[in-house]
Amino acid sequence: AQSVTQLGSHVSVSEGALVLLRCNYSSSVPPYLFWYVQYPNQGLQLLLKYTTGATLVKGINGFEAEFKKSETSFHLTKPSAHMSDAAEYFCAVSGGSNYQLTFGKGTLLTVNP
Amino acid sequence: DSGVTQTPKHLITATGQRVTLRCSPRSGDLSVYWYQQSLDQGLQFLIQYYNGEERAKGNILERFSAQQFPDLHSELNLSSLELGDSALYFCASSVAEGSTGELFFGEGSRLTVL
Repeated sequence: AQSVTQLGSHVSVSEGALVLLRCNYSSSVPPYLFWYVQYPNQGLQLLLKYTTGATLVKGINGFEAEFKKSETSFHLTKPSAHMSDAAEYFCAVSGGSNYQLTFGKGTLLTVNP
Repeated sequence: DSGVTQTPKHLITATGQRVTLRCSPRSGDLSVYWYQQSLDQGLQFLIQYYNGEERAKGNILERFSAQQFPDLHSELNLSSLELGDSALYFCASSVAEGSTGELFFGEGSRLTVL
């Protein structure tokens, strides 16, 4: 069984501030982890993914995430928020090719000028 | 542009009716996934097809059905509609059969049941 918990349904930051979106997962097998972003009136778009190897994963638009097995976490960060980062962010987990993606409930990021 | 096309973008209908949502996957992708997004349930996996065959089933109601055609486009049929079926329905596609790769999402079909 797999599950994802995103802490905080809404996060608000100032432009230029650090962005930290939290994700904890549960998986009975080694996980594949993903962050997707959904801009208003659009579909989801992959930001980054962890499958195997390096635990610090870099994605598009300056985002990165670190897989911490001991903490079952995959938090998303960006050093400096930009207005264009305002969107909803979804963490997702898969157990591999025989498993489906399970999404968290999403975190809405607001960036204030 | 993800390359995944969904029609219609918006649909308003009445309870008890039946609707069909259509999805054309990205060129070359063999897997098609359907998801339902609502405020209370979040993003829920409904069903997956791979190269015309049903691959996996999630939280799909018996009133809902889907299929993937030989040209790889897919349709999601929703019948005996209820108010609670109002949601955004996403189609996604991928090259691989399993969920180890990237899913490409369409812009969704927003269904409103009155």
